[in-house]
Amino acid sequence: GIQVEQSPPDLILQEGANSTLRCNFSDSVNNLQWFHQNPWGQLINLFYIPSGTKQNGRLSATTVATERYSLLYISSSQTTDSGVYFCAVDRTGANNLFFGTGTRLTVIP
Amino acid sequence: DAGVIQSPRHEVTEMGQEVTLRCKPISGHDYLFWYRQTMMRGLELLIYFNNNVPIDDSGMPEDRFSAKMPNASFSTLKIQPSEPRDSAVYFCASSLAGQRGDYGYTFGSGTRLTVV
Repeated sequence: GIQVEQSPPDLILQEGANSTLRCNFSDSVNNLQWFHQNPWGQLINLFYIPSGTKQNGRLSATTVATERYSLLYISSSQTTDSGVYFCAVDRTGANNLFFGTGTRLTVIP
Repeated sequence: DAGVIQSPRHEVTEMGQEVTLRCKPISGHDYLFWYRQTMMRGLELLIYFNNNVPIDDSGMPEDRFSAKMPNASFSTLKIQPSEPRDSAVYFCASSLAGQRGDYGYTFGSGTRLTVV
């Protein structure tokens, strides 16, 4: 099956710092999404981004499908950004998402 | 829309008992997914439905697990008999296919199951 690797596994930032999270995948995909799981366990959809670049406030994401990776940028981090960030991919076109192991982000004041 | 609604939020049960988890998807969404999250295995897809029909149940761990979707607004995941290794957070998600762009993939708040 497809492999999804995320790095780094853990990241600690001072509030206000910027960060880049990476997702590598082993095969071509037609769906890639980024999710944030907050400390209370809620999973929030951040981006649908099988290719190209999108921005939403302090967050932006870029997927280079030909090179099989995606990046999530967090600028001016805030404590509310803490949690686990997951990359998830689908090859079938049926929204059957396969999740990576996540990056745990801790933003300290 | 109230989002994807799961119940109960927490469930503690004794080994051997039957457990039923419930999910109400977002109105109009035609895909429904059941996921399980554990520390050891992360987030794994158990089963998904399209238009109330089960499409792929290859992630269901064993015959003790079953899922149904009797109509577009309700699904259940049943474990019978439950075992301690079934302890996990179970998530339901729904999405809308057939359009390019954001599929509106939305998760419920999850059910934390503890089997003692």
